[in-house]
Amino acid sequence: GAVVSQHPSRVICKSGTSVKIECRSLDFQATTMFWYRQFPKQSLMLMATSNEGSKATYEQGVEKDKFLINHASLTLSTLTVTSAHPEDSSFYICSARSILGRETQYFGPGTRLLVL
Amino acid sequence: AQTVTQSQPEMSVQEAETVTLSCTYDTSESDYYLFWYKQPPSRQMILVIRQEAYKQQNATENRFSVNFQKAAKSFSLKISDSQLGDAAMYFCAYRSGALQETSGSRLTFGEGTQLTVNP
Repeated sequence: GAVVSQHPSRVICKSGTSVKIECRSLDFQATTMFWYRQFPKQSLMLMATSNEGSKATYEQGVEKDKFLINHASLTLSTLTVTSAHPEDSSFYICSARSILGRETQYFGPGTRLLVL
Repeated sequence: AQTVTQSQPEMSVQEAETVTLSCTYDTSESDYYLFWYKQPPSRQMILVIRQEAYKQQNATENRFSVNFQKAAKSFSLKISDSQLGDAAMYFCAYRSGALQETSGSRLTFGEGTQLTVNP
């Protein structure tokens, strides 16, 4: 149980295009989903927290117009990187907190984004 | 704000031996949760073990156990009978026990410890 999927697993795009990453909780309902960014050999950096049906809460320094987050249902959250640039290249990871087991976050497998 | 510190960027252990990874944290809260996550080369974050601060008994999961010292704000992970598959980056994480739906549920991660298991 407690499986979180992400799609796509990796994406290469041209500078200036937008990329959407999906995060799904497959066997549980998630009241809250989190989006992280991770650079090589570094820790996870929280970008934003999203609750189903409400606006995401962004961490300081994260541009909300750049990283659009939608949490339309209890099983799906999306992160859209708008007008991507090479400096947006990174590993993006989502996690979900179950509506029941609220203490633990379950992580998706991550999405590697490369912007050319 | 809470902080989590892992002072060992890299550790190595011989297969079948025991290794301990260190983690300290700083908080003014009395109710919180602590976690160890493992990130192998696939980069999938895997929950290793969880500890509730209100529990005095140290959590154990098979070959993994913690030494939770609340007064010292220390939360080390012991891996017994190390296996090649244990090689990974290990992250210590803190979560407030507060009930706020957003800020109360966020995880604060340490910098990570890269564990190498030598055959």
